[in-house]
Amino acid sequence: DQQVKQNSPSLSVQEGRISILNCDYTNSMFDYFLWYKKYPAEGPTFLISISSIKDKNEDGRFTVFLNKSAKHLSLHIVPSQPGDSAVYFCAASPTGNQFYFGTGTSLTVIP
Amino acid sequence: GAGVSQSPRYKVAKRGQDVALRCDPISGHVSLFWYQQALGQGPEFLTYFQNEAQLDKSGLPSDRFFAERPEGSVSTLKIQRTQQEDSAVYLCASSRGQGPTGELFFGEGSRLTVL
Repeated sequence: DQQVKQNSPSLSVQEGRISILNCDYTNSMFDYFLWYKKYPAEGPTFLISISSIKDKNEDGRFTVFLNKSAKHLSLHIVPSQPGDSAVYFCAASPTGNQFYFGTGTSLTVIP
Repeated sequence: GAGVSQSPRYKVAKRGQDVALRCDPISGHVSLFWYQQALGQGPEFLTYFQNEAQLDKSGLPSDRFFAERPEGSVSTLKIQRTQQEDSAVYLCASSRGQGPTGELFFGEGSRLTVL
């Protein structure tokens, strides 16, 4: 039973435009959310996080939005750059417990 | 080293063989996690250590899987009598604090192929 879902396996965006990656979760006990970025043959690297007490967290070009009532979070990248091309995983955790990962969205930023 | 180090990077095993995968976490990191990532899937939790204590092993798929971290630093994931469905990338991650409330630092993974 997939508790964290990324329904778009892939996304293509023109360089300079906004990339929006979406993630849905089913467990209302989740209260900490992260986005990871993964290049081929490398482990995932942390990108940005948000706790359930917030609805937005921003770090440079990356912003994560959390809608608790809809059990939905999204990652916005603006402006998108070719180096952003990677697989993006969202992950969720009930505090003090394990992380649950989505299946990933492969982002391609076209120069 | 500066990051999480895993070895071997690649392992090919014949069905029925035992394998051992090693993880060197970032020095001083209290928490250590093992994840299994099948092709086209996200990482799936296997087990979690806080120092040398294995606090959660609920994700281990069968009793053929065993993990240890005897001195609270290096960890080994052992898979006995490997089967084809064990083929996956095994990711190790560590974090500074207690429990998964902070950033996880991942290694590059050990890709296991069982023939």
